[in-house]
Amino acid sequence: SSELTQDPAVSVALGQTVRITCQGDSLRSYYASWYQQKPGQAPVLVIYGKNNRPSGIPDRFSGSSSGNTASLTITGAQAEDEADYYCNSRDSSGNHLRVFGGGTKLTVL
Amino acid sequence: QVQLQQWGAGLLKPSETLSLTCAVYGGSFSGYYWSWIRQPPGKGLEWIGEINHSGSTNYNPSLKSRVTISVDTSKNQFSLKLSSVTAADTAVYYCARVRSAAAGTRPMYNWFDPWGQGTLVTVSS
Repeated sequence: SSELTQDPAVSVALGQTVRITCQGDSLRSYYASWYQQKPGQAPVLVIYGKNNRPSGIPDRFSGSSSGNTASLTITGAQAEDEADYYCNSRDSSGNHLRVFGGGTKLTVL
Repeated sequence: QVQLQQWGAGLLKPSETLSLTCAVYGGSFSGYYWSWIRQPPGKGLEWIGEINHSGSTNYNPSLKSRVTISVDTSKNQFSLKLSSVTAADTAVYYCARVRSAAAGTRPMYNWFDPWGQGTLVTVSS
């Protein structure tokens, strides 16, 4: 079982805003990172740290954190944002161990 | 721009040892941890372990007894060995660079970027 919990599936209407959440005790201390994965492709980093976007990631992607919950927000979702999204952080033991959330399948309607 | 290229055997029989290698091109090899991550078909991502250029390793406790990650700094490569494989080890295996940064009063945080292209390893008799 994952120490980071994500909703298995979320849907959003085209152009609307959606928030994907990730819960876990370790998130009270460590920032999460977020990855987008489309079918048959390797995951791609979309958000890291407090709210940092790698070069090439549209600014409609943003991140936030409160308590034991990290969130990925897509403002004005596009059809190409339909994908699986995974959060990642340290495990709650504080050791150098890393854990992924179970993933959220985002459907853009 | 750093690129990772990985390779290894794609079809194994139960009880054999999985062996994959990841080469790092276009950037510094030292100063980072380098990770292996896997994804069973239709399932989520699982972190396997990591190594730095000095050979210091960290492993997922659930796989630790069967995993060895090693490094060859002369070739800017790192490798994964997973022993006694079963069908449950069938997955796409990815290599990735681990990046770190400080965040004020918070502990160091990390992220994986870039990733290798992935290698499908199938375990079947």
